[in-house]
This record gives sequence, structure tokens and C-alpha cells, in this order.
Amino acid sequence: AQSVTQLDSHVSVSEGTPVLLRCNYSSSYSPSLFWYVQHPNKGLQLLLKYTSAATLVKGINGFEAEFKKSETSFHLTKPSAHMSDAAEYFCVVSDTGRRALTFGSGTRLQVQP
Amino acid sequence: DTEVTQTPKHLVMGMTNKKSLKCEQHMGHRAMYWYKQKAKKPPELMFVYSYEKLSINESVPSRFSPECPNSSLLNLHLHALQPEDSALYLCASSQDGISTDTQYFGPGTRLTVL
Repeated sequence: AQSVTQLDSHVSVSEGTPVLLRCNYSSSYSPSLFWYVQHPNKGLQLLLKYTSAATLVKGINGFEAEFKKSETSFHLTKPSAHMSDAAEYFCVVSDTGRRALTFGSGTRLQVQP
Repeated sequence: DTEVTQTPKHLVMGMTNKKSLKCEQHMGHRAMYWYKQKAKKPPELMFVYSYEKLSINESVPSRFSPECPNSSLLNLHLHALQPEDSALYLCASSQDGISTDTQYFGPGTRLTVL
């Protein structure tokens, strides 16, 4: 069975400072891992995706994530937060052969001016 | 173009009404999905269509009835809903429905059941 744990329900940073959103996963097989962002009252937008190629994955808007198999982690980072980054972020895992995604509970990122 | 469109954006309906939500994609994707998202929660999968056939039904009540008329369109027919069904309904599509596929989401329909 697969599962995802987002370690922080809420993260607050100042504009211009680094962002770290933490995600741990559990998977029986080689997983595909995703980060999606959801702005208020909007759909989900893909930030980045890992599928067993490079362990450091670069996404849109300056975000990146590193797959660490030994730690079963897939943390999302950004060097410098922007006000427009304020949103809900979901870490998502998908096991080989299963069509359904498993979502983490989400992390709300707040960016202070 | 990675756009999934959904109509209507907002829908208010009574418990005795019948209404439908519509989703459309023109990316040539062969898998389409319905999710339900309650406030401050992650999306929950409802249905998956793969090559126009229903492949996953996550034990959704029969008052929700999906339909996939063709590979570009996905409908969700609603009848005799309850107030607790009020939520954001998200549609998504992906290339083939396999695990490594990226799912592309629409903006959602905000449903309120009175």
C-alpha cells in the first residue's frame, strides 16, 4: 500500500527567504512522485514530477525537489519565496500499475511581506 | 495546450434537482477522472475512465452518475444530492491512465446543495 505524509500542515515564510515543504512517502514499488499547487478556489497545477530518472527534479516557478530513497522523502524547496507562492501544496504518490493517485493532506504556505 | 475545461464554474442546486457537470480536454488523453474536494482537504478520487470505459469507481453513491460520451468529454450527472455533497468537483485527464502519467486538472466546479 502507498501513503504520503506531509509533515507540516502550515508553513509561514517571509518574502525572499527559502521555502521547504516536507514530504515522506511509503510505497511497495518504484513510485512516481508529484508536487501540485492549488491557489484559492482554483484547480491543481503540476509543479514537478519524479519518475526514476534524475533524483533532483526541477519544476516550474523556481521550485525543485529531491528524491531520497534511503529517507523515503521528496521535499520541495525554493531558494526565494514570492508573494504569489502563497497557496496549498500537495505531495502525491502513484504506485506502478495503479491508476489512482494518493494525496498528502496538504501544506498551506503563507508568505509574509 | 494542457488545458482541461469545466463547466459550470459554480452550481447551486436543491436536493430534488437534476444537474450535470461537464469536463472537456483536447490533449488526446485517454484517461479522465472525477475528484471531490472538501474545504481544506485533499482531492478524493471518485471515478476513472480509461479508453472511455469506467475502470475505477471508488464506492461512490449512485446519486452521482458518470458518463464518458467520447474520449474528450466527461460528464457527471447529479440527482437527489445531499447538503454534504457540497464541494469542489475537479476533473483531470492523463495520457493513458498509467501510474507515471501526469494528471492535468481543470479549475473545478464549486457545487452547493441547499
